[in-house]
Amino acid sequence: SQQGEEDPQALSIQEGENATMNCSYKTSINNLQWYRQNSGRGLVHLILIRSNEREKHSGRLRVTLDTSKKSSSLLITASRAADTASYFCATVETGSARQLTFGSGTQLTVLP
Amino acid sequence: GAGVSQSPRYKVTKRGQDVALRCDPISGHVSLYWYRQALGQGPEFLTYFNYEAQQDKSGLPNDRFSAERPEGSISTLTIQRTEQRDSAMYRCASSLGQSGPQHFGDGTRLSIL
Repeated sequence: SQQGEEDPQALSIQEGENATMNCSYKTSINNLQWYRQNSGRGLVHLILIRSNEREKHSGRLRVTLDTSKKSSSLLITASRAADTASYFCATVETGSARQLTFGSGTQLTVLP
Repeated sequence: GAGVSQSPRYKVTKRGQDVALRCDPISGHVSLYWYRQALGQGPEFLTYFNYEAQQDKSGLPNDRFSAERPEGSISTLTIQRTEQRDSAMYRCASSLGQSGPQHFGDGTRLSIL
């Protein structure tokens, strides 16, 4: 079953703008990860944030985590056409066998 | 190898046949995971190995599904007596340790006629 929801389901922006995607989840977690999936390809790991962290940066990516609200956000700054993809958040639940529980994803389209 | 390799990329078979899907993880990766992904959805967990030990198979839908990783490297997911509802993308992932990021293969697209 899916852990939670991503919001929005689809997002279309112009190149150079920032893109923000949100993720909500239901259970206590060990960490939360964001993945990107280009059409028809495998998922690519972007960033991992642990439950005791509140914010993390990696290049043009910024991830926040609010465990009290069971939510996370992914910000992509200065977007490029190559950022067009589906973005998934995935959680490792506390006490689990380390498998990822994915949300349903946000389809991001960056227009040139 | 450089990444997680899955074969075949595409498999079309008739209902009732058995299929075996192969995953070759990144060399040295201890943990291996199988997921199933429906169109427009995120992957759903099937089963997980640490070395050769199957640690969790709670995501396998029924007893027609089984998986093995006999030498702690290559893994095979087997579906017996396939049904049309088994049609999906099957993805394998591996990670260096139990808590690290998972690296996914390109998947096997399974179509049951």
